[in-house]
Amino acid sequence: EIVMTQSPAILSVSPGEGATLSCRASQSVSSNLAWYQHKPGQAPRLLIYGASTRATGIPARFSGSGSGTEFTLTISSLQSEDFAVYYCQHYKNWPRTFGRGTTLEIK
Amino acid sequence: EVQLVESGGGLVQPGGSLRLSCAASGFTFSRYWMAWVRQAPGKGLEWVASIREDSIERYSVDSVTGRFTISRDNAQNSLYLEINSLRAEDTAVYYCARDGPGIVEFDYWGQGALVTVSS
Repeated sequence: EIVMTQSPAILSVSPGEGATLSCRASQSVSSNLAWYQHKPGQAPRLLIYGASTRATGIPARFSGSGSGTEFTLTISSLQSEDFAVYYCQHYKNWPRTFGRGTTLEIK
Repeated sequence: EVQLVESGGGLVQPGGSLRLSCAASGFTFSRYWMAWVRQAPGKGLEWVASIREDSIERYSVDSVTGRFTISRDNAQNSLYLEINSLRAEDTAVYYCARDGPGIVEFDYWGQGALVTVSS
């Protein structure tokens, strides 16, 4: 099983600033990596797939990078609606696994 | 518009059984892999099971293998999760998700169905 490790667990940022979230895989997943945004009481939302491709309707302030074992989600100029929990997930093989999430909170 | 609507959640005693359903609309259901993902209270997302378009391939996380069965009915545009031998640690919101085309992963999700295992 591929273990996904996200850091930091909690990130405090002021609106308008940028945020960088990290995700590390215990072995290479190539570019088979997705990022999701999840707010309480809502369905998770796909942000990024293929490590760097924005999903349909996702604003350009969200960007993904990396390949192999190291990945980054960057959010530029945080808006109020961006404060949520973010998960990375690999789909290199079975079982699919998610990271434990990074909570992005308002500073 | 793609819609996924889960149903069948509820309160179940340990050792009990439940069947979750997911009604899909707004896309050609028979052309997509589908999946169940859950979130236990205060925890993160956990992939539970996936099923191929024609049901020939099915995969599940080790912790539910032998107890949970994923299935689908393409004629009814429905996805199912049969849950048996429920344990307290199975308490979670269960989401139905579409596995997107090509390299796209879970691109659409339902609102979730709460399963509570308690005596």
